Amino acid sequence: GAVVSQHPSWVICKSGTSVKIECRSLDFQATTMFWYRQFPKQSLMLMATSNEGSKATYEQGVEKDKFLINHASLTLSTLTVTSAHPEDSSFYICSARGGVQDTQYFGPGTRLTVL
Amino acid sequence: GQQVMQIPQYQHVQEGEDFTTYCNSSTTLSNIQWYKQRPGGHPVFLIQLVKSGEVKKQKRLTFQFGEAKKNSSLHITATQTTDVGTYFCAGGRQGGSEKLVFGKGTKLTVNP
Repeated sequence: GAVVSQHPSWVICKSGTSVKIECRSLDFQATTMFWYRQFPKQSLMLMATSNEGSKATYEQGVEKDKFLINHASLTLSTLTVTSAHPEDSSFYICSARGGVQDTQYFGPGTRLTVL
Repeated sequence: GQQVMQIPQYQHVQEGEDFTTYCNSSTTLSNIQWYKQRPGGHPVFLIQLVKSGEVKKQKRLTFQFGEAKKNSSLHITATQTTDVGTYFCAGGRQGGSEKLVFGKGTKLTVNP
């Protein structure tokens, strides 16, 4: 139980394009989902907290117009990186809070490379 | 803001040796969670500690939460090559926030 999927697992795009990443909780409902960013050999940095049916709460220094988050249902949240640039290249990981232990369960991550 | 410090940053051991990683928070935590991330993988939830002074065991792994709920440790007895990875602690803030603050992680390598 408590499985979280992410799609796509990796994506390569040209500079200036937008990329959408989906995060789904497969066997539980998640009222809250979190989006993290992880640079190589570094820890996870929380970007935003996403609550179903309301606007996402962004961490300080994260541009809300750059990273659009939509929490459409209790099992789906999406992150859209708009007008991506090479410095946006990173490993993006979502997590969904819920399950039996009411903790955060992480998706497998999406590796974004912007050329 | 709240910070979670984790040491050591790296640890290399011979197979069979013990390993410990420590976390310290600048503020009192509501809970602490531990995750393991294998190279190229994503963080996998290991355990959550909630009570002051709590100790939990999972086979060769022992997790402790300090009396003041500001520090925690993960101890692995007799490491195996399958223990390789980065271990992260993540503190939950008191006051009802769902957010976790992650430590920088301890990367464990095991020499067979």
